Amino acid sequence: EAGVTQSPTHLIKTRGQQATLRCSPISGHTSVYWYQQALGLGLQFLLWYDEGEERNRGNFPPRFSGRQFPNYSSELNVNALELEDSALYLCASSSGQGGEKLFFGSGTQLSVL
Amino acid sequence: AQSVTQLDSHVSVSEGTPVLLRCNYSSSYSPSLFWYVQHPNKGLQLLLKYTSAATLVKGINGFEAEFKKSETSFHLTKPSAHMSDAAEYFCVVRANTGFQKLVFGTGTRLLVSP
Repeated sequence: EAGVTQSPTHLIKTRGQQATLRCSPISGHTSVYWYQQALGLGLQFLLWYDEGEERNRGNFPPRFSGRQFPNYSSELNVNALELEDSALYLCASSSGQGGEKLFFGSGTQLSVL
Repeated sequence: AQSVTQLDSHVSVSEGTPVLLRCNYSSSYSPSLFWYVQHPNKGLQLLLKYTSAATLVKGINGFEAEFKKSETSFHLTKPSAHMSDAAEYFCVVRANTGFQKLVFGTGTRLLVSP
């Protein structure tokens, strides 16, 4: 069974540009979570989608947004990129609302120059 | 509010010696606690979880953790380290109420030398 897949693996952008990160959850999982792992910091919760709806978001500015598609895959969009947005972005999926066991993808390394 | 503090950013052990990764938590509600492991270039993997059942929790790869409410701790241990245990370990807390967001600690990097 395929795990959580994220694309691209690496993404290089310049300040002010937009980045789009993609995530495909495990088959049958309806919840998708996005986390940011910046250097020296723990994972910071970004967004939670379930059944196509945004259920909650972390303490990030509105230029971080996303969506979940009918097939439960998800996109994370970051507009007006800033240098401090450089981080590893991890996607995780679970089988239902608040599911305890998260399955993580390998992440997208975003570098903002 | 929930938070976790991982007391060591790096822990170095020799192969075959015991591993102790320390974690203290803070939670307004009865928490669930987890340990996740992140190997280089791989996604995070759940090692074990505590959800108010037995206080001593056994996980994968020989790891275990003990929930101590009086000390608000959830330390991760393993009797004998293996080279393949070298990775980043995250202690995680989740409130058992409301939106069940996972709150991650800053991580402990485990280094295992031959």
